[in-house]
Amino acid sequence: EVQLVESGGGLVQPGGSLRLSCAASGFTFSSYWMSWVRQAPGKGLEWVANIKQDGIEKYYVDSVKGRFTISRDNAKNSLYLQMNSLRADDTAVYYCARRGGSYHDSWGQGTLVTVSS
Amino acid sequence: DIQMTQSPSTLSASVGDRVSITCRASQSISSWLAWYQQKPGKAPKLLIYKASSLESGVPSRFSGSGSGTEFTLTISSLQPDDFATYYCQQYNSYSETFGQGTKVEI
Repeated sequence: EVQLVESGGGLVQPGGSLRLSCAASGFTFSSYWMSWVRQAPGKGLEWVANIKQDGIEKYYVDSVKGRFTISRDNAKNSLYLQMNSLRADDTAVYYCARRGGSYHDSWGQGTLVTVSS
Repeated sequence: DIQMTQSPSTLSASVGDRVSITCRASQSISSWLAWYQQKPGKAPKLLIYKASSLESGVPSRFSGSGSGTEFTLTISSLQPDDFATYYCQQYNSYSETFGQGTKVEI
């Protein structure tokens, strides 16, 4: 069974940093593109970033370019999102998702990031 | 960037109704479209991919159609478990966008 478990969320002040992790199991992690998708409170889904199997190709939504970095460790079956220069509008539940082609076929339960003073 | 517009934003329906949700892309995305269902406090669940392919385990009352810029998700006979919010998602040139969502309510 595919499992994705996010961790690392919490309360952070504007301008601060946070690192999210996603532990994957139940599938060959190194064979899949992976993604982060977020959802602000009461709002819709927003794609944040994708990373290729080899960890070299990475893509980001414009609003996080230069502030967020997606990475992975295939030996540890783990996905990461380093978030710097956080702003209030980054407040959201962050989901880790597996990409089965051009779509997300498995999702974690999400971790809440709150940016507030 | 490609924009995705869903309609309606809210849909009131009853058990047994046939319902349809439309998603329009600001430019052609071929068939690179997926549909998700999300219930409050839960992660999204994949229903349809490549515009019309049913994800394994998803009931056959769900179907998808369309290509290019206009797509439709249809639920042939609405069940109590189907009251949720539905999102479309496009994938094009290593970038993705979701529609704003359609809430299906009683």
